[in-house]
Amino acid sequence: QKEVEQNSGPLSVPEGAIASLNCTYSDRGSQSFFWYRQYSGKSPELIMFIYSNGDKEDGRFTAQLNKASQYVSLLIRDSQPSDSATYLCAADSYFRLGAGGGADGLTFGKGTHLIIQP
Amino acid sequence: DGGITQSPKYLFRKEGQNVTLSCEQNLNHDAMYWYRQDPGQGLRLIYYSQIVNDFQKGDIAEGYSVSREKKESFPLTVTSAQKNPTAFYLCASSLDRVGNQPQHFGDGTRLSIL
Repeated sequence: QKEVEQNSGPLSVPEGAIASLNCTYSDRGSQSFFWYRQYSGKSPELIMFIYSNGDKEDGRFTAQLNKASQYVSLLIRDSQPSDSATYLCAADSYFRLGAGGGADGLTFGKGTHLIIQP
Repeated sequence: DGGITQSPKYLFRKEGQNVTLSCEQNLNHDAMYWYRQDPGQGLRLIYYSQIVNDFQKGDIAEGYSVSREKKESFPLTVTSAQKNPTAFYLCASSLDRVGNQPQHFGDGTRLSIL
């Protein structure tokens, strides 16, 4: 069973600080990794994706990938109260189906609940 | 604007009743997915479709059915065989079947039992 593990939190961070969210995955074949933000009662929204080892920056967000350690992280700089949400990590997986078939898909973690304290 | 439209936003099911959740996308995406999310839980895959007239069961397909007669549409029916249907249902789509394509979600449908 392919798994993506996240600490459920809550992770409490003061406003203006760096929030660090972590994720590990079990499928060594995973190549693509995604971070989604989900506000309470809303659907997930894609905020970052990363395919290569190292860092990828987009505004206040930085995704980090270490395939050797099977570890993905998301850093949020200058945290704002509006960043308070649940952050879902996802990894691509190959799902084996009956009759020898299969297909690509995403395996999601259960999410980390982030609270930015004003 | 391109996007994924789910309807209705809220749905109530009576005992023994089948209900259908609508999902329409105008992103010209080939792949579409249905997930179920329970409180404090991650997303669990119900069904997915990678092309018109083809779909595959996900991890929790029992008690659900789908169709994919048009590229834009992927409705989900929650049958009376699904004994615990109360959940947040999310439809998603991606450009194609390749695993490195991000999935984009609709706004979801909340289903409850009357």
